[in-house]
Amino acid sequence: KAGVTQTPRYLIKTRGQQVTLSCSPISGHRSVSWYQQTPGQGLQFLFEYFSETQRNKGNFPGRFSGRQFSNSRSEMNVSTLELGDSALYLCASSFGGPNTGELFFGEGSRLTVL
Amino acid sequence: AQSVAQPEDQVNVAEGNPLTVKCTYSVSGNPYLFWYVQYPNRGLQFLLKYITGDNLVKGSYGFEAEFNKSQTSFHLKKPSALVSDSALYFCAVRDMLGSQGNLIFGKGTKLSVKP
Repeated sequence: KAGVTQTPRYLIKTRGQQVTLSCSPISGHRSVSWYQQTPGQGLQFLFEYFSETQRNKGNFPGRFSGRQFSNSRSEMNVSTLELGDSALYLCASSFGGPNTGELFFGEGSRLTVL
Repeated sequence: AQSVAQPEDQVNVAEGNPLTVKCTYSVSGNPYLFWYVQYPNRGLQFLLKYITGDNLVKGSYGFEAEFNKSQTSFHLKKPSALVSDSALYFCAVRDMLGSQGNLIFGKGTKLSVKP
């Protein structure tokens, strides 16, 4: 069974630009979550989607947005990039429903903002 | 607020010795606890979880964790460390106060196993 796939793996942007990251969950998983990982703040929850609906959101500004498609694939977008947005963005999937289960993570998309 | 704490930034162990990576938690209600490992430039890999039941949980790669409700701890252990265990380890708790429970992670502990 294929794991969680994130694209692109690496990208470099400049301040003020926007970026879109993509995540394909494990087949059959309906929940997709996004996390930001930085050396200073660690792993921080961005948002979670289930059946195309955002059902949980972390404490990030509105420049960070996401969506989920009918095939459970998800995208996240960051607009008006700032230097502080440089991070590893991790996507995770799970079956969904009552969330007592583990998350399965992708390899991440490493964003560098210059 | 629900949280986890990993009091050690780094743990150094000699190969073949037992290892412990510490984690304490603060939650309202029943804790759902997890351990993940991250190798350089990789995503997080699930090791084990505690939902309910036996306090000693066995996971992947020979790791286990002991849930201690009175001490609000969930320490990760392995009887005999390998050099290949060197990685970044994260403890996490489900935030069940959120609408569906995202994971709240500790800051991570870097484990270094020397030959």
